[in-house]
Amino acid sequence: AQTVTQSQPEMSVQEAETVTLSCTYDTSESNYYLFWYKQPPSRQMILVIRQEAYKQQNATENRFSVNFQKAAKSFSLKISDSQLGDTAMYFCAFMKPNTGANSKLTFGKGITLSVRP
Amino acid sequence: DTEVTQTPKHLVMGMTNKKSLKCEQHMGHRAMYWYKQKAKKPPELMFVYSYEKLSINESVPSRFSPECPNSSLLNLHLHALQPEDSALYLCASSQDYEPQHFGDGTRLSIL
Repeated sequence: AQTVTQSQPEMSVQEAETVTLSCTYDTSESNYYLFWYKQPPSRQMILVIRQEAYKQQNATENRFSVNFQKAAKSFSLKISDSQLGDTAMYFCAFMKPNTGANSKLTFGKGITLSVRP
Repeated sequence: DTEVTQTPKHLVMGMTNKKSLKCEQHMGHRAMYWYKQKAKKPPELMFVYSYEKLSINESVPSRFSPECPNSSLLNLHLHALQPEDSALYLCASSQDYEPQHFGDGTRLSIL
């Protein structure tokens, strides 16, 4: 079974600054996917960024980038130039690909990020 | 705009009522999911449909009854719910190794 750990329950950052959200996971799988989802107060779960375990290059998506350390089983999210709209709960998630159409997500407990004006 | 549409957005019901939640997607995804989410907690998986067949039931009480009439629609029928069932119910869809796409959710309150 897989586990995902987000040990920081809350973080706060000043607008325009950079913040890093931590995530570690445990698995015996060699092929898997990792995601960061954002859930603002409007409640929709929005995919922020994805990382395939077989790719050594860290994923980036505009202001969002990850530091993927496969050996250490670490997957942190860096948000650059923080904006007020980044205020949300962030969930780290693990997915083991299944044959067929469905793949289960294992979520961490989440971290509440507040961006201060 | 979300690609997964959930209705209604909010629902208040008594413990003896019967109601249904609806989820629709037109992305051609063949897997659809129901999650329950309490405040400040991660979503908890309830059911998974794969190619319109129930493939995962995470030991959910029988007062929740899922239905997948076709590849684009997913329903969750509710009957005799308890106050602890008050939560945000999220629907998601996916295909193969692609990440799940979530709807906005239905905020359910049980009186």
